[in-house]
Amino acid sequence: IQLTQSPSSLSASVGDRVTITCRASQGISSYLAWYQQKPGKAPKLLIYAASTLQSGVPSRFSGSGSGTDFTLTISSLQPEDFATYYCQQLNSYPPGVTFGPGTKVDIK
Amino acid sequence: QLQLQESGPGLVKPSETLSLTCTVSGGSISSSSYYWGWIRQPPGKGLEWIGSIYYSGSTYYNPSLKSRVTISVDTSKNQFSLKLSSVTAADTAVYYCARLEQLDADAFDIWGQGTMVTVSS
Repeated sequence: IQLTQSPSSLSASVGDRVTITCRASQGISSYLAWYQQKPGKAPKLLIYAASTLQSGVPSRFSGSGSGTDFTLTISSLQPEDFATYYCQQLNSYPPGVTFGPGTKVDIK
Repeated sequence: QLQLQESGPGLVKPSETLSLTCTVSGGSISSSSYYWGWIRQPPGKGLEWIGSIYYSGSTYYNPSLKSRVTISVDTSKNQFSLKLSSVTAADTAVYYCARLEQLDADAFDIWGQGTMVTVSS
């Protein structure tokens, strides 16, 4: 299963609503996760099962979708949200993990 | 709280074998709810999953790396390890170990800080 993300990068301002899309090459039910990665740091899990917020993650982050199309939304972009975002799915059979290519969010 | 720490050489010669260990602290690697995985990230590029292991020793690997990868676990030391053979410059990357929660999340919920490995003579 392949994952694509769009856009590959975007420029936004603090306070903007930002939406990132992840598309799977075939249906994956709701088994999709989103990560945030800042330069020089390990990725951080934001959302799993397409829409469940990981403990401690601000509520301005939300996820939706099922099947092949998924979205990550940041309702009001904060300075600490400028980072690269990756989607990820785990395949049951054959077992395997795939990451999307990433979406870089930078300051307009 | 649970922490993961990668360790191993930062420089490996071409054609040799890259070896890294991930030490799990603050919890048991033998928990039934989790797999453990290796992920890498070449400089300036995206994340690539390498493979995952259960505490019983059950493994699954990225098909593109499978012929060169071995992941093993040592429950007595609370560690799991990665060996990548016949390395080339293309294997230069930051290597992360992470916990894979497969009960509800199907996601890597705890990560090590990562270790940079350079392949060069």
